[in-house]
Amino acid sequence: SQQGEEDPQALSIQEGENATMNCSYKTSINNLQWYRQNSGRGLVHLILIRSNEREKHSGRLRVTLDTSKKSSSLLITASRAADTASYFCATDASLFSGGSNYKLTFGKGTLLTVNP
Amino acid sequence: EAQVTQNPRYLITVTGKKLTVTCSQNMNHEYMSWYRQDPGLGLRQIYYSMNVEVTDKGDVPEGYKVSRKEKRNFPLILESPSPNQTSLYFCASSLPSGSGVDTQYFGPGTRLTVL
Repeated sequence: SQQGEEDPQALSIQEGENATMNCSYKTSINNLQWYRQNSGRGLVHLILIRSNEREKHSGRLRVTLDTSKKSSSLLITASRAADTASYFCATDASLFSGGSNYKLTFGKGTLLTVNP
Repeated sequence: EAQVTQNPRYLITVTGKKLTVTCSQNMNHEYMSWYRQDPGLGLRQIYYSMNVEVTDKGDVPEGYKVSRKEKRNFPLILESPSPNQTSLYFCASSLPSGSGVDTQYFGPGTRLTVL
């Protein structure tokens, strides 16, 4: 089945540095979303980017989408210790791909650790 | 306060004893979904519902049932739980998108242990 795959699986940086996480997927999509999860808690939505968009910003977050490469990146600038969390990408499937566009598939996540 | 609630938050049960995990949202969302999260596997969708009386299978529906009789509620039913259903379960809801799945609002999770 289609699945987003995040890379790297784990990332450790110092406070103030930028963090970049990547997501690859297999088939055409309508939307790609990024979520954040603090240990064992519910997921919080960060950004949704549609297949006809290439870049979106929200505060210190920047998301890019390259549909030709079937990939997305999440950049967190000037990271803080409070950004320590797992980050997940999630994709639906375009009807053109033959999938259900109401089925949502998550990757396995990137564990980001920001050291003070 | 806009929210998705799940009950119970924690549950320990035994193999074969039917259980229901409730999910309720107060945002008038049409789309609701259940996920399970297991270490190293990320979140996997169990079932989703586009509206009342409309449900469909996700990636891992075996061993689960759902119903959507009212817009606000989407219970997850385990008719005969087995130890491999021990997991962290999340319910989520969203508004309908023009196409595809829109921003999901997640509940706090239900940690289920099946002995």
